[in-house]
Amino acid sequence: GEDVEQSLFLSVREGDSSVINCTYTDSSSTYLYWYKQEPGAGLQLLTYIFSNMDMKQDQRLTVLLNKKDKHLSLRIADTQTGDSAIYFCAEMTQAGTALIFGKGTTLSVSS
Amino acid sequence: DTGVSQNPRHKITKRGQNVTFRCDPISEHNRLYWYRQTLGQGPEFLTYFQNEAQLEKSRLLSDRFSAERPKGSFSTLEIQRTEQGDSAMYLCASRGQDNQPQHFGDGTRLSIL
Repeated sequence: GEDVEQSLFLSVREGDSSVINCTYTDSSSTYLYWYKQEPGAGLQLLTYIFSNMDMKQDQRLTVLLNKKDKHLSLRIADTQTGDSAIYFCAEMTQAGTALIFGKGTTLSVSS
Repeated sequence: DTGVSQNPRHKITKRGQNVTFRCDPISEHNRLYWYRQTLGQGPEFLTYFQNEAQLEKSRLLSDRFSAERPKGSFSTLEIQRTEQGDSAMYLCASRGQDNQPQHFGDGTRLSIL
């Protein structure tokens, strides 16, 4: 079945780059997503990438996709304290309906 | 674009009571999703509507759970005879066309006493 795995914690200093990694199982996924969740809030869509792309850049965010290894990463440049949150990687189910989420990576940014 | 709206934000109830949550999707989004998120986990899919039709239900959606979207706009999720294990954040998301992402509301946090 479909599964998404992420490392659980990442700690960085303000101003450094953060790289959050994710692996997924469904090679037929057409889109892969990154969402951000702050305490007590819902999920905020950060960015997403179509499966025929290798990279997507959006301001401080860079997404890299390695389809062969089923590996997705999110790089946040110049990480700020406001970036502290839980980051979720998600893939679309084969049926193209629901999203399958990882358990989330907690990013802690220290000043 | 006012975003996905969910009410209430918090619900505290005693075990055995019934609860109902409401979700108002982004206007003109014809697809609506419900997810459940427990502490330390990612959201898990519960059910999916396209317009008023409920097209998919997860095995997590026991017979105590029911969801409706009567006019293809807002949706309700009802849980009957609540149990301790129902304590979670219930998230709603909506989506427009096939190539568009799902947008989430802020969720309803359910606490069972």
